[in-house]
Order: sequence, then C-alpha cells, then structure tokens
Amino acid sequence: NAGVTQTPKFQVLKTGQSMTLQCAQDMNHEYMSWYRQDPGMGLRLIHYSVGAGITDQGEVPNGYNVSRSTTEDFPLRLLSAAPSQTSVYFCASSYRDRSNYGYTFGSGTRLTVV
Amino acid sequence: AQKITQTQPGMFVQEKEAVTLDCTYDTSDPSYGLFWYKQPSSGEMIFLIYQGSYDQQNATEGRYSLNFQKARKSANLVISASQLGDSAMYFCAMREGSEGGSEKLVFGKGTKLTVNP
Repeated sequence: NAGVTQTPKFQVLKTGQSMTLQCAQDMNHEYMSWYRQDPGMGLRLIHYSVGAGITDQGEVPNGYNVSRSTTEDFPLRLLSAAPSQTSVYFCASSYRDRSNYGYTFGSGTRLTVV
Repeated sequence: AQKITQTQPGMFVQEKEAVTLDCTYDTSDPSYGLFWYKQPSSGEMIFLIYQGSYDQQNATEGRYSLNFQKARKSANLVISASQLGDSAMYFCAMREGSEGGSEKLVFGKGTKLTVNP
C-alpha cells in the first residue's frame, strides 16, 4: 500500500546510545518532515526536507540529524540519546507547490530513553 | 508566539449532537492553509479537512465542516451528528506561504473530544 512507512514502531534506548529512525514514502512527495509529539505539546517540527540533498531545521532540532539522499527516504538520527528525547516520532510527506494538499503521516515510532 | 491556539484541552459531547472545536491562528502572510487532523487512541494522524486563505466558501467534508472567519483568524471545526468513533484528539494546523512557498505545517496543542453514548 502506498504511504509513509516508519520503522521501528517501538524502541527502548539507553542514555548515550545512538540510533536511526527510518522513514520511507512511495508517493514521490518532494517534502518530508519529522515531528515529535509530547503530551500537552502537540506536534513539533524537528527537521524537514524539500527535496533530495536539501534539509533544514525546524522548531526543535537539537540532538537530531537528518539527511535526504533520495526522494523516498528521510532517516532521523539520534546522536546520543537523552531521556528528554522520549517521545512519539512522526514522519510526514507532501507534495510541494500544492498548499491545499494534506500531509501523509507515518504510523509513528514510540521511543523511550532510559 | 504561538501560531495555532486551541483553547479547549478537552470537550464532551453526546452522541448524535454537533460539537465545535475552536482554533485561532496567527499569521501575517496573506496566503496560508488551515488543516484539521484527527488522532484516535491508536495513534495515527488522519487528515480531515482543509481551508485555504483565499477560499470564499467554508470547507465541508461529510460530517466535518470548517467555520472559517478570516477577520477573526479563526478556523473552528464543526462535527455534526457525533458518533462514538469520533472520540479522539483533534489538531488544528497551519501551512504558511504562497503556493510552493513554506512547507512547514505548524500544529496546535490539540483538543481531546469524548463522545458519550
């Protein structure tokens, strides 16, 4: 099925460990983004990309890295996990130049840092 | 400053009644889009409805309608004939910029809707 695929769905990390959250979409969307969702905070933008080779920071980028080598993939890297990064992470994608087009979200990754 | 404000942390409604979820936004850009998403307890984000800043008519999608008052900068979601399956978190979001401009989608903190039988 077409859509946004995130892996893993659940992950527990120890403080200081690194890991990569994977995001892939097969809709040929130019725009991809990562959000984190914390209780009472809504969804906050971490990083986004408007095309292969182009990334930019969102509202809460510290502690995360991204790259966009292909249109389909947009991995999010946690360099040295901290308990404050315990959250639910969503990847989303959309077409550019279509401001009325809704974003398609992945099913989320629930990350716990202990 | 908060760009999207949802002032109702929680709302309750009786099944089959209508409910309005409030959303106000802040932007100086003349071109923007407003979205509502539903997040059930299973966690996925479901796109409900869109309103463009230049749209003359209020958007409607089935039982969902958007009460767009541009001068007041409000974009309230109206759900008619509530169903038990409508119980969920509801997020208002805004995408600023002209066509092909900013791609960022900024969210409010959400409203938790509970539909009572």
